[in-house]
Amino acid sequence: DAGITQSPRYKITETGRQVTLMCHQTWSHSYMFWYRQDLGHGLRLIYYSAAADITDKGEVPDGYVVSRSKTENFPLTLESATRSQTSVYFCASSESILGTGPFWETQYFGPGTRLLVL
Amino acid sequence: AQTVTQSQPEMSVQEAETVTLSCTYDTSENNYYLFWYKQPPSRQMILVIRQEAYKQQNATENRFSVNFQKAAKSFSLKISDSQLGDTAMYFCAFISTQGGSEKLVFGKGTKLTVNP
Repeated sequence: DAGITQSPRYKITETGRQVTLMCHQTWSHSYMFWYRQDLGHGLRLIYYSAAADITDKGEVPDGYVVSRSKTENFPLTLESATRSQTSVYFCASSESILGTGPFWETQYFGPGTRLLVL
Repeated sequence: AQTVTQSQPEMSVQEAETVTLSCTYDTSENNYYLFWYKQPPSRQMILVIRQEAYKQQNATENRFSVNFQKAAKSFSLKISDSQLGDTAMYFCAFISTQGGSEKLVFGKGTKLTVNP
């Protein structure tokens, strides 16, 4: 099916373990994003990518690593999970429309991954 | 830095009535977009409506409309004929270009409950 998908939808892990959250989109959108959502903080940007092999830090990048070898995939890795990384993680994508004002148009969100770090 | 403020943590409305959710933002930019996203209990983020800052006309999508006041930096969402399925968290969001770094900034959300 077309759209943006995330896997797994739920994940329980232990402190210190490495965890990778997957994000896949079928629109060939240039931009992809990772957000985390926590009570009292709303959504906060972790990392984003403007194109394959181009990534940049967001508001809360510490403890996370991303890569984008293919346009359609944008995995997020927690190298050594901590309890403070328990959260709901959202992936999003957006097309870039040059020459029409701001680069970013509407962002389309995946269904989210709920991560619990014990 | 841009900020988005939603001053109503929770609101409730009776089915079929109208409700307005408030949002204010702070920016020195002139060109930007504003969005309202809905997050139902399923937790997925769903775009409700968007507004381009250069457009004076308020955006409308079926029962959803906005009141965009650029000078006041206000962007409220009006939901007409509220339905039970409108029960959700609603997030106001802002995006602009600033120094080549373009980020979507979210408010902390308003929890809307539609009562039968």
